[in-house]
Amino acid sequence: DAGVTQSPTHLIKTRGQQVTLRCSPKSGHDTVSWYQQALGQGPQFIFQYYEEEERQRGNFPDRFSGHQFPNYSSELNVNALLLGDSALYLCASSLLQLSYGYTFGSGTRLTVV
Amino acid sequence: AQSVTQLDSQVPVFEEAPVELRCNYSSSVSVYLFWYVQYPNQGLQLLLKYLSGSTLVKGINGFEAEFNKSQTSFHLRKPSVHISDTAEYFCAVSDRDSSASKIIFGSGTRLSIRP
Repeated sequence: DAGVTQSPTHLIKTRGQQVTLRCSPKSGHDTVSWYQQALGQGPQFIFQYYEEEERQRGNFPDRFSGHQFPNYSSELNVNALLLGDSALYLCASSLLQLSYGYTFGSGTRLTVV
Repeated sequence: AQSVTQLDSQVPVFEEAPVELRCNYSSSVSVYLFWYVQYPNQGLQLLLKYLSGSTLVKGINGFEAEFNKSQTSFHLRKPSVHISDTAEYFCAVSDRDSSASKIIFGSGTRLSIRP
């Protein structure tokens, strides 16, 4: 049973560019949440998708947007990249009811130069 | 809204010694509580969770945690640590009664094991 798959694993972008990160959830999960983890910090909630809609959003600017597809996979898009966007981006899948917790992918390491 | 405070950013301990990683949470509603572990350059792995019932929760790799509602704490313990336990540990909380909740993480505690 495949867990959560994220791609790419590493990415280097230039300030001002746009980036798309991808996530395939664990089989049977219908909810995808995205987190940003800066170096030495805990994961910060970006947003959550369920039934192809954004259900919750953290304190992130509109430059961060996402999408969920009918097969439950998801994308995170970041426009007008800033140096401060450099971080590990984690995708977590779950059922909507969180009693089983999240299953995390290994993340995408984004470096903005 | 919920929040999590991990009281120690780093905990050094000798191999085979006991360890406790402290976590306090704040919430106006009933909560689920979690501990996750993150090894270098990896995602987060669930160690254990408290949903309801017994306040002592046992997880993987010999870890356990105790939920204390009056002190709003959920400290993680292991009676004897190994070099392989070197990692970052995150305490987390979510709203138990919401149909669409998110998990809020603390800032993490780095556990370093000395031989």
